[in-house]
Amino acid sequence: ELKVEQNPLFLSMQEGKNYTIYCNYSTTSDRLYWYRQDPGKSLESLFVLLSNGAVKQEGRLMASLDTKARLSTLHITAAVHDLSATYFCAVTDGGATNKLIFGTGTLLAVQP
Amino acid sequence: DTAVSQTPKYLVTQMGNDKSIKCEQNLGHDTMYWYKQDSKKFLKIMFSYNNKELIINETVPNRFSPKSPDKAHLNLHINSLELGDSAVYFCASSQDRWVGRKNTEAFFGQGTRLTVV
Repeated sequence: ELKVEQNPLFLSMQEGKNYTIYCNYSTTSDRLYWYRQDPGKSLESLFVLLSNGAVKQEGRLMASLDTKARLSTLHITAAVHDLSATYFCAVTDGGATNKLIFGTGTLLAVQP
Repeated sequence: DTAVSQTPKYLVTQMGNDKSIKCEQNLGHDTMYWYKQDSKKFLKIMFSYNNKELIINETVPNRFSPKSPDKAHLNLHINSLELGDSAVYFCASSQDRWVGRKNTEAFFGQGTRLTVV
């Protein structure tokens, strides 16, 4: 059964600093998604990573995928308060229905 | 204009009641989902329908019953509500049943916060 783990679960960082969130998954998959969730809100799609070595960037966020290591990273550059949210990675299980399995989430709090 | 819309946004009800949550998508997608997010923000898929056909039916109590009258709608009916059913329920849709194929991604509704007292 596919398991998706993120670390850290909680990240408090200062504005202007850099940090990385890690997403590990247990079985082979070549489709990985990153979502953002603000408190009390829906999930917003950030990145879709479709192949080994894929790298995508949007503003201060950059996501990458290493399918051999079963690892994706979400790198935050020069954090700002507006990035405070919970970030989820999600992986398709590749089974008959290709379910989307979510990671545990990382709560990011950017302090001034 | 909302792509995936759920009603109601908040639902407070007593134990033992029966309630429904409605979901509609105007994206022309073929597949719709129900996810449950618990108090620790863990997201777990419950059901999925593709063109009105049930394709994912996770291990959830049979008090939960999805219904899809057409491919743009997926409702969730819950019988005999229990305290443990309190959570946020998210509806989502994707263009293709194979999430991940052809760059298919899932789009989520705003969630329904269910509180059972």
